Amino acid sequence: QKEVEQNSGPLSVPEGAIASLNCTYSDRVSQSFFWYRQYSGKSPELIMSIYSNGDKEDGRFTAQLNKASQYVSLLIRDSQPSDSATYLCAIYSGTYKYIFGTGTRLKVLA
Amino acid sequence: SAVISQKPSRDICQRGTSLTIQCQVDSQVTMMFWYRQQPGQSLTLIATANQGSEATYESGFVIDKFPISRPNLTFSTLTVSNMSPEDSSIYLCSVSGSGGGTGELFFGEGSRLTVL
Repeated sequence: QKEVEQNSGPLSVPEGAIASLNCTYSDRVSQSFFWYRQYSGKSPELIMSIYSNGDKEDGRFTAQLNKASQYVSLLIRDSQPSDSATYLCAIYSGTYKYIFGTGTRLKVLA
Repeated sequence: SAVISQKPSRDICQRGTSLTIQCQVDSQVTMMFWYRQQPGQSLTLIATANQGSEATYESGFVIDKFPISRPNLTFSTLTVSNMSPEDSSIYLCSVSGSGGGTGELFFGEGSRLTVL
């Protein structure tokens, strides 16, 4: 059973701090990794995708991938109260299958 | 990314009835995916719908309960049949950015069903 594991949280950080969200996965052959943000009552919104080892930056967001250790992380710099949401980690495991983690709830305290 | 529209956005249904959810995409896509998200849970894939062929269902989901239509490359429907309170969930239509079944996945706004 291929799995994606996330700490459910809540992860609480003060406004302006760096939020660090982590995800581990079991499928060694996964090649595509995604982070989604989901506000309460809304559908998931893609915020980052990463395909190769290392860091990928997009504005305040940085995704980090380490395939050898099978983890992917998301850093949010200068966290804002509007970043408060559930963050879902997902992997593409082949044959049109995407596996989602259970999500980490982030609370940014003003 | 594709623009994905779902209808209805929410509904309250009576036990034993059926409801059909519509999903419209603004571009042609090969694969469409239907997910369920139960309260406080992550996303679970119900089925994959490929135009011109029968939908492929995941373990635990059957065609009699969740019939899917895929009449063309921009439209799909999911029916939730003979509903029970356990079917209360958000149902999400999604497509990949590449139009096929890989790459970044994008979601419609979701259809929130409450079954009484």
